[in-house]
Amino acid sequence: NAGVTQTPKFRVLKTGQSMTLLCAQDMNHEYMYWYRQDPGMGLRLIHYSVGEGTTAKGEVPDGYNVSRLKKQNFLLGLESAAPSQTSVYFCASSPIPGQNTEAFFGQGTRLTVV
Amino acid sequence: AQSVTQPDIHITVSEGASLELRCNYSYGATPYLFWYVQSPGQGLQLLLKYFSGDTLVQGIKGFEAEFKRSQSSFNLRKPSVHWSDAAEYFCAVGAHSSASKIIFGSGTRLSIRP
Repeated sequence: NAGVTQTPKFRVLKTGQSMTLLCAQDMNHEYMYWYRQDPGMGLRLIHYSVGEGTTAKGEVPDGYNVSRLKKQNFLLGLESAAPSQTSVYFCASSPIPGQNTEAFFGQGTRLTVV
Repeated sequence: AQSVTQPDIHITVSEGASLELRCNYSYGATPYLFWYVQSPGQGLQLLLKYFSGDTLVQGIKGFEAEFKRSQSSFNLRKPSVHWSDAAEYFCAVGAHSSASKIIFGSGTRLSIRP
């Protein structure tokens, strides 16, 4: 079972470049999330989506944009990368709140901005 | 707004000793709560979750957690730790509502003393 798949797994960007991180899930989950993980700060929510065509801001949305054109995909975009965006990015998906709710995570994308 | 506090950044325990990792949450209504574990360089794995009902929940790998509404806590426990339990542990909170999001704490790094 694929679960949640993130591409790419590693990327090095120069300051000012743009890129898109792709998250794909095959569990038919309604909710999808993008987090960033930095040492000592845990996982901070960037943006999330509660269904196809919807997005919402999380805790640290500045400098990022997202789109959820298809239920199974959630894209995270960096329009003009900055060194402060060097981080490990995790995508997750979950069913709607209920007894079986849990977030399933991808393996992460390590992004370095130089 | 939801928030999670893990007051212990780093804990070291001896192999075979008992463990308790603290988690306090803030949310106006009944939350659903999670504990995840992350081994170095890996993604996140769900240890256990609380949605409703019995306030003492059992998880994988011999872990358990107790939801205490009066203390806004969801502490993780294990009676006897193994060297393989060395990892980072994250507490997370979600909401029993549509358009909810899952917010993580900053994590507790667990080291095991031989």
